[in-house]
Amino acid sequence: DTAVSQTPKYLVTQMGNDKSIKCEQNLGHDTMYWYKQDSKKFLKIMFSYNNKELIINETVPNRFSPKSPDKAHLNLHINSLELGDSAVYFCASSLSGGNNEQFFGPGTRLTVL
Amino acid sequence: GENVEQHPSTLSVQEGDSAVIKCTYSDSASNYFPWYKQELGKGPQLIIDIRSNVGEKKDQRIAVTLNKTAKHFSLHITETQPEDSAVYFCAASRGSSASKIIFGSGTRLSIRP
Repeated sequence: DTAVSQTPKYLVTQMGNDKSIKCEQNLGHDTMYWYKQDSKKFLKIMFSYNNKELIINETVPNRFSPKSPDKAHLNLHINSLELGDSAVYFCASSLSGGNNEQFFGPGTRLTVL
Repeated sequence: GENVEQHPSTLSVQEGDSAVIKCTYSDSASNYFPWYKQELGKGPQLIIDIRSNVGEKKDQRIAVTLNKTAKHFSLHITETQPEDSAVYFCAASRGSSASKIIFGSGTRLSIRP
């Protein structure tokens, strides 16, 4: 299936732990994104990578570090997790340019206890 | 900074009636306006988009209108069906490679049988 996939779908962890979320797309896109959706459904961009280069970084705490090993993958590593990090994290991909459809993954629900 | 306001936050309509969701944006350089539908437990999915060189676009039961002077755009769904129940997001972007999409706060649409 052609799609954007994320793992894991659910992540429950303790405060202070470090965790990673993986994202892969097989759509041939060269731009990938991470979004955070809070409990009120607000959807906010965190990072955007184009051809493995960071192009958008929305003043996200340094504890969040994206890594793009190639155009098809964009992983998100979070250090020292805090309660406020609990949210659903979506990966997305698109062709270059800000006026192309973004294809979203199914989301990773992160719960920090 | 850039901002997209969306109203209403919740909307309940009788099956078969029309639904209208309205958005305003602050960045006058925005030229791309997509609408995304998010079903429960899934990632957002593009349903229609409009670019600033047109004032209206229609796709079957869905239509979007854009008033660049007033910086307003709206989504119209006619002959609503139960499967239209979801959260709808408007968004705005400048359309360049490094520009981000700014999402509205979402509208939870419920279709009453």
